[in-house]
Amino acid sequence: GESVGLHLPTLSVQEGDNSIINCAYSNSASDYFIWYKQESGKGPQFIIDIRSNMDKRQGQRVTVLLNKTVKHLSLQIAATQPGDSAVYFCAETISGGYQKVTFGTGTKLQVIP
Amino acid sequence: DAMVIQNPRYQVTQFGKPVTLSCSQTLNHNVMYWYQQKSSQAPKLLFHYYDKDFNNEADTPDNFQSRRPNTSFCFLDIRSPGLGDAAMYLCATSRLAEQFFGPGTRLTVL
Repeated sequence: GESVGLHLPTLSVQEGDNSIINCAYSNSASDYFIWYKQESGKGPQFIIDIRSNMDKRQGQRVTVLLNKTVKHLSLQIAATQPGDSAVYFCAETISGGYQKVTFGTGTKLQVIP
Repeated sequence: DAMVIQNPRYQVTQFGKPVTLSCSQTLNHNVMYWYQQKSSQAPKLLFHYYDKDFNNEADTPDNFQSRRPNTSFCFLDIRSPGLGDAAMYLCATSRLAEQFFGPGTRLTVL
C-alpha cells in the first residue's frame, strides 16, 4: 500500500542562484523524459523534455541533462526566481504510440528571497 | 485557449456517498487519463482511455469507475468514497507522450 505522510525532498535556493534538481529513473527501455512543475493547488505543468538520443537540452532558463549510463536525469534552473518555487517531477516513458508515463517522487524547490 | 478543464475544483462528499468528477478538453487529444495525487506524492495513474478503449491500472480499486461519452469529456465516478480517497484528482490528455494536465479537483471526504 501507499506510505502516509511522506516528506518530499526539499531544495532551498537563494534567489538568483542556480538550482539543480536530480532524478533517477528506473526503466532502461524509457526513451523520453519530461520535467513537470507543480505549483500548490495546481496540476503539473510541462517544463521541458528530452529524448534518449540527446544528453542535453536547453530551454529558457532551464537545462535538462540525461545520463543513460546511470539512468539519471537532472533539471538545472538558472537565476532561480521566487516564481520557481514549486514541486518538480521527472517522468519517463517509451515513445511511439501510447505508453504509460511513470512519475518520479518529486522535489520541492523553495526559493529564498 | 485550448485547455483541460476540471469541475468542480473542490468537492466535498460524505463517507459512502457516490461522487462524480468531470473533465473536458478542447485539445482534441485521443488519450485521456485520471490520476490520484495525495499530499507530497507523485500522481498515481488510475486509468486511461485511448479513444474509446478503457484501460484500468491493475491496482485501481473497483470503487473507481470512469466514463468517456465522447472525445471531449471524461468522468470519474467514486461509488463509495472512503476517507482514504480524499486526494487531488487530476485529469490529463495527450496525443503522444506529452501530457497536458487540468487544474485538478480536490476531494474531501467527511
